[in-house]
Amino acid sequence: EVQLVESGGGLVQPGGSLRLSCAASGFTFSSYWMSWVRQAPGKGLEWVANIKQDGSEKSYVDSVKGRFAISRDNAKNSLYLQMNSLRAEDTAVYYCARDIIVATENWFDPWGQGTLVTVSS
Amino acid sequence: SSELTQDPAVSVALGQTVRITCQGDSFRSYYASWYQQKPGQAPVVVIYGKNNRPSGIPDRFSGSSSGNTASLTITGAQAEDEADYYCNSRDSSGDHVVFGGGTKLTVL
Repeated sequence: EVQLVESGGGLVQPGGSLRLSCAASGFTFSSYWMSWVRQAPGKGLEWVANIKQDGSEKSYVDSVKGRFAISRDNAKNSLYLQMNSLRAEDTAVYYCARDIIVATENWFDPWGQGTLVTVSS
Repeated sequence: SSELTQDPAVSVALGQTVRITCQGDSFRSYYASWYQQKPGQAPVVVIYGKNNRPSGIPDRFSGSSSGNTASLTITGAQAEDEADYYCNSRDSSGDHVVFGGGTKLTVL
């Protein structure tokens, strides 16, 4: 079964840091782009970042550039999101998703169950 | 703000057909994908590419695209289809990924 399981969420003060992890199983992790997508409470989905199969290419939404860093360890079938200088507006459920890109088609499947990050004093 | 625009809410009578639309310039170059999200659950892809359904998704779900508008059609909506639906694509530059703001579907 293809599965993604996130961990590492929690309560952090503004300006603090947190590292999210995503454990992948049931597929060849090293063959796929991977993404982080977040959802603030009661709001819609927002793509955060993605990373190429070998980690050589990374992209970020403008609001997290310079503060967040996406990385992966293909030997451990794991995806990470290092979040620094956290702000209240970063409060959200963070989902890990397999990012499938085929020419002009791009979709996310599957998604993890999500991990909640709350930034508050 | 999102580069993809969706109507915030749509309703449909049980068993009737409903179309949920998503507008964006990126659809002139990229296909949309569509996600269903029920309360407290992670999103699930229901349509991707030109009109592809993952295994397990009922064939009452279909997708189409014309110009700058992508559409998700549910033919014979069921009570269990009540959910939030999001469209997604690359942005106009192709460098980033964008989501629509979401459409809340109510089945009456």
